[in-house]
Formats: sequence, C-alpha cells, structure tokens
Amino acid sequence: DTAVSQTPKYLVTQMGNDKSIKCEQNLGHDTMYWYKQDSKKFLKIMFSYNNKELIINETVPNRFSPKSPDKAHLNLHINSLELGDSAVYFCASSQPIERGAGETQYFGPGTRLLVL
Amino acid sequence: KQEVTQIPAALSVPEGENLVLNCSFTDSAIYNLQWFRQDPGKGLTSLLLIQSSQREQTSGRLNASLDKSSGRSTLYIAASQPGDSATYLCAAHSGNTGKLIFGQGTTLQVKP
Repeated sequence: DTAVSQTPKYLVTQMGNDKSIKCEQNLGHDTMYWYKQDSKKFLKIMFSYNNKELIINETVPNRFSPKSPDKAHLNLHINSLELGDSAVYFCASSQPIERGAGETQYFGPGTRLLVL
Repeated sequence: KQEVTQIPAALSVPEGENLVLNCSFTDSAIYNLQWFRQDPGKGLTSLLLIQSSQREQTSGRLNASLDKSSGRSTLYIAASQPGDSATYLCAAHSGNTGKLIFGQGTTLQVKP
C-alpha cells in the first residue's frame, strides 16, 4: 500500500516544454506539499495546500502552478521549462494543520526531472 | 528567518560504533523537529518527530533529543550497522503552516 505516490518517477524533456507531475495520498490527510531538491541535495518547500486551499507559496516562479482537484491529490504543472528546473520534486502530506502545526510529514518517492 | 544546519556533512564509522548526528536551528520558536532518512535515489523516510514540548524520542536503536533553548537537536544511533548507511536530514517545523525547513543533511557510511 503506497501512502504517497507520484507519477512519473522520471521525466526527461526539452527546454520550453510544459509538463505535469501528479501526486496522490491515501492517508486521509488534508494538507499536501511540494518540495524541490536541488543538485546539492538541498530540500526546499515550494507550495502547501490545506483542504484544497493554497497556504504556502514560497516565491516560486509563476511558471509553476499547483492544482488540487481534491484533498487526496496535488498536482504540479510547469510551463516553459528551463534548465534550472532540473531537480527532484517531492510531494508530501500530513494531518490538518489546525490540529496543531507540525504533524509528521510523509513523503512520496520523488520525480526526477531533467530538462535538456 | 529559520535556518537549519547539520554538521558534519559526511561521516564514516566502523560497524558497531555508536554515533551522534548534530542539527542546529536559529529560531527557537519551532513547533517540532523531524528527522528523516534518505537512501540514494529514493524518497524521504520519517524516523522521529519531537514535539516542541518534548525533549527526546526513541525508536529502536535511534534516539533524538531536542533542546530549544540552545537551538540544537541530536540523533543518536546505537550499534550502527551497514544498513544504516544513508543521508540523514533534520527539519524544523517553522510557523503554524507546517512548513519544514531542512538542513543540508549528513551522509553516513557504516563500514562492515
């Protein structure tokens, strides 16, 4: 039983293309996140959604647009891909923040994006 | 602005040794602190979460401590095994949004 899943696992594409990464969690969580891990393995939050509402947007270029069709899904669409977008993108989920901030976050396996 | 630092960046020990990984944070007003393990090419596995009101958490051979006043957390691994080889990340929950601020990680190698 996969708790947090992401598709695709690998994504190789040309500069200028538009691509999407999908994330699904079956933990019943209300809060979902997108993180980016760069080539130096440093992880940084990009977005967070709570019950389909955007609550964190960390100065990410507007080429990145998250979409949450329901509480169990948080997809990431990237327009006009650039070389610097190459990274590993992780989705995560946790219990609702209103229950007390800082619940355990569970991470997906990551999507390795390479922009050529 | 919260910043999280982990030292050392890499550590190599012989099998069986007890070891301590260090994590420091600049803003003591954290909600809690979470330790993760990341294997090469894999995702993150949550190891321990210490609430801000707690001082330590234990799971098997792992023990994590939290000292908010000094801005420090440690992860103690007892009787290390080659299977413990991985990158260990600490992350502070900053603010009330659940946002995690990560350290750079410590890459551990346990030699048989």
